[in-house]
Amino acid sequence: KNEVEQSPQNLTAQEGEFITINCSYSVGISALHWLQQHPGGGIVSLFMLSSGKKKHGRLIATINIQEKHSSLHITASHPRDSAVYICAVSFMDSNYQLIWGAGTKLIIKP
Amino acid sequence: KAGVTQTPRYLIKTRGQQVTLSCSPISGHRSVSWYQQTPGQGLQFLFEYFSETQRNKGNFPGRFSGRQFSNSRSEMNVSTLELGDSALYLCASSPHRTSDLGNEQFFGPGTRLTVL
Repeated sequence: KNEVEQSPQNLTAQEGEFITINCSYSVGISALHWLQQHPGGGIVSLFMLSSGKKKHGRLIATINIQEKHSSLHITASHPRDSAVYICAVSFMDSNYQLIWGAGTKLIIKP
Repeated sequence: KAGVTQTPRYLIKTRGQQVTLSCSPISGHRSVSWYQQTPGQGLQFLFEYFSETQRNKGNFPGRFSGRQFSNSRSEMNVSTLELGDSALYLCASSPHRTSDLGNEQFFGPGTRLTVL
């Protein structure tokens, strides 16, 4: 069964802290996406990874294909980073449909 | 470049009615995917359209249908609405089919449907 698990489910931190959100998946993938959803519903695609590491501003995403694991890091976190972060995976044997993790609700306190 | 737009943004319907949602992809994008987001089920894939043809379909009943026009705009239709259809419906566009390696999806703001 193709599964995507995210942890933690909820995360509250102080402004400035280094944040890590994890995503594990079950079988071979073609790509892994990290997305951000703010209150109100709009979803923004942050990264798409199939290997290695990507960086955009204070956000860093890594993926380890052998361990079937990805992490999203936020450096120098800010209250505006408060959102739900979602990991979604495109599995090779599911006709590349995106399977979504449950999301991590991040709250950054000033 | 304008982003993905969805209309309407909010919609209230009653059980038994039908609804049509619209999605305009980013200019030049040929793939449009639809997703349903509910608090209990999270995000679930509905279907993908590419070049006016449905290429992929999720596990939803036949009441959920869609189509794509020659300009890549897509509509999603839900007939005989049920209370459980209340959700945020998101569409995402991409230049190529979602199965293509390196293909990234860009999401619209969503249409929030409430069924009373």
